[in-house]
Amino acid sequence: QQQVKQSPQSLIVQKGGISIINCAYENTAFDYFPWYQQFPGKGPALLIAIRPDVSEKKEGRFTISFNKSAKQFSLHIMDSQPGDSATYFCAPSGGYQKVTFGIGTKLQVIP
Amino acid sequence: SAVISQKPSRDICQRGTSLTIQCQVDSQVTMMFWYRQQPGQSLTLIATANQGSEATYESGFVIDKFPISRPNLTFSTLTVSNMSPEDSSIYLCSTKLAGGPGEQFFGPGTRLTVL
Repeated sequence: QQQVKQSPQSLIVQKGGISIINCAYENTAFDYFPWYQQFPGKGPALLIAIRPDVSEKKEGRFTISFNKSAKQFSLHIMDSQPGDSATYFCAPSGGYQKVTFGIGTKLQVIP
Repeated sequence: SAVISQKPSRDICQRGTSLTIQCQVDSQVTMMFWYRQQPGQSLTLIATANQGSEATYESGFVIDKFPISRPNLTFSTLTVSNMSPEDSSIYLCSTKLAGGPGEQFFGPGTRLTVL
């Protein structure tokens, strides 16, 4: 049973555009909803995360939108830059549930 | 936060041999995790290694193939035994801070190629 569905798997965005990546989950016990960013040759690093008591969190150009009833959360990258080109993973978790990583989205921001 | 280092960063090994990957954390942590990541793919959890107890392996991974040691609260090793080309992958060490918000910290990974 696939607990986490991430889409799209790849995304090409023009510089200055908006990048949107989605994550749908099934496990209602999840209470921590992060997005990780991974550059080639590096381990993933936390980009931004949200708890279910809020519907949106913004940090600079990065925003998480959370829809508890739909069991979905998304990452929005405003004014996308070539330096944002990386692979992004959603990885919801909670309590004693192990972390489940999404399939990953390879983002390419073209000048 | 936690800073994780791994050794080696990459290696090329012959079929049938074994490689031990070291993971060092800059602070004492209870939980450490080992992941495998095929190039261009997601992360797959191999096992969870808590200090003072046997490692817990995920479905599809066995101790004979991936023995893990956890001698103290800052260090762990993963051995890939009797390697085959199918073991070629990136191996990542990770930890989570007790009482923290849920963030996981990752090492830079060990890129393994088996010929």
